[in-house]
Amino acid sequence: GDSVTQMEGPVTLSEEAFLTINCTYTATGYPSLFWYVQYPGEGLQLLLKATKADDKGSNKGFEATYRKETTSFHLEKGSVQVSDSAVYFCALSDPGSARQLTFGSGTQLTVLP
Amino acid sequence: DAGITQSPRYKITETGRQVTLMCHQTWSHSYMFWYRQDLGHGLRLIYYSAAADITDKGEVPDGYVVSRSKTENFPLTLESATRSQTSVYFCASSDPDRVGADTQYFGPGTRLTVL
Repeated sequence: GDSVTQMEGPVTLSEEAFLTINCTYTATGYPSLFWYVQYPGEGLQLLLKATKADDKGSNKGFEATYRKETTSFHLEKGSVQVSDSAVYFCALSDPGSARQLTFGSGTQLTVLP
Repeated sequence: DAGITQSPRYKITETGRQVTLMCHQTWSHSYMFWYRQDLGHGLRLIYYSAAADITDKGEVPDGYVVSRSKTENFPLTLESATRSQTSVYFCASSDPDRVGADTQYFGPGTRLTVL
């Protein structure tokens, strides 16, 4: 079945550092890929998405590129802020899976001032 | 625009009791989902619904019951709560035909503790 493997956390960075959170996936079809973010005490919010190979999703300075050849969707940000502290989830939606999202286990990011 | 709401936000109950968690969305999205979030497991799908009166099991359905008589509501019932059902529960909705790419929108969650 489908699966998403995410970089284990927690990740602690200083403000303005470069961020990479690795995400790889296994899917039978041609999935759409997502990054969701969860701030403390809140639900998940869509951060960015990509629907086909070589698409780049971007939002709030975060970027991720859909790499079919490496089955990856790594999240990057050039300069993190304290306000980026949250849990980040990689997810996929496989067209053959009745619109379900399959999530990775999440990566806790803490940014220190 | 209320979006998607869940109630209650916090609930403490005892083993063996029946508990119902409510989910309401104002977008008329066709799909709705229930997830549970546990440390080390990410989010796991409990049940989902493609439309009113259509529901199906997800990855971890045992011990849960759902119904969807109206498009906007998708209650989740724990028929006889167990300690292993202590978790944070999230409801989500999507409308792939309108919003596209199966983007799901999440409620704020219900933190359930079973004593």
